[in-house]
Amino acid sequence: EPEVTQTPSHQVTQMGQEVILRCVPISNHLYFYWYRQILGQKVEFLVSFYNNEISEKSEIFDDQFSVERPDGSNFTLKIRSTKLEDSAMYFCASREIHSKGYTFGSGTRLTVV
Amino acid sequence: AQSVSQHNHHVILSEAASLELGCNYSYGGTVNLFWYVQYPGQHLQLLLKYFSGDPLVKGIKGFEAEFIKSKFSFNLRKPSVQWSDTAEYFCAVNWGSASKIIFGSGTRLSIRP
Repeated sequence: EPEVTQTPSHQVTQMGQEVILRCVPISNHLYFYWYRQILGQKVEFLVSFYNNEISEKSEIFDDQFSVERPDGSNFTLKIRSTKLEDSAMYFCASREIHSKGYTFGSGTRLTVV
Repeated sequence: AQSVSQHNHHVILSEAASLELGCNYSYGGTVNLFWYVQYPGQHLQLLLKYFSGDPLVKGIKGFEAEFIKSKFSFNLRKPSVQWSDTAEYFCAVNWGSASKIIFGSGTRLSIRP
């Protein structure tokens, strides 16, 4: 069964550093998403992306966050200057254009120290 | 604002007990409904989904859920739980033409062997 692949599985970074989280969505999917889950809390929507642009973003997705689809396969989330409170599990998801089903990746655990 | 409520934060059951986890969502027209499971240290996995048709949906691992439109509910059930069902369970909803899904706060299920 096709999978959404996320790398790395765990990243540790120092506060103030930039991080890039990578996702390879399922090949025929056209909608892409990033969610995050702070330890012990709910899964929160960050941003959705379609047709090479952001279609929706949450209040969490401020100027320090950006997303990009640099080529035909990768979908990245960049955090410019990480804060301690950015420590969380980040999930990527993708969806076919006419489907209502979402496929989630296994997540990247980001630890900011 | 659209919201998803899971009122049971932590449920503790013995093996073979029956399970029902509540999920309610705010009104917003047509909905697509999901239950995800997150085993300790793992990523989100889809248990079942409802888009239309029979309101009683059967999923993997013996789980089922019932969509009750009049109550804005989509409760998850399992007749007889096993120790391996210990996990966090998330209800998620997508409204109409919206792209993103919104998650409930999750219910932690602990099964006593």
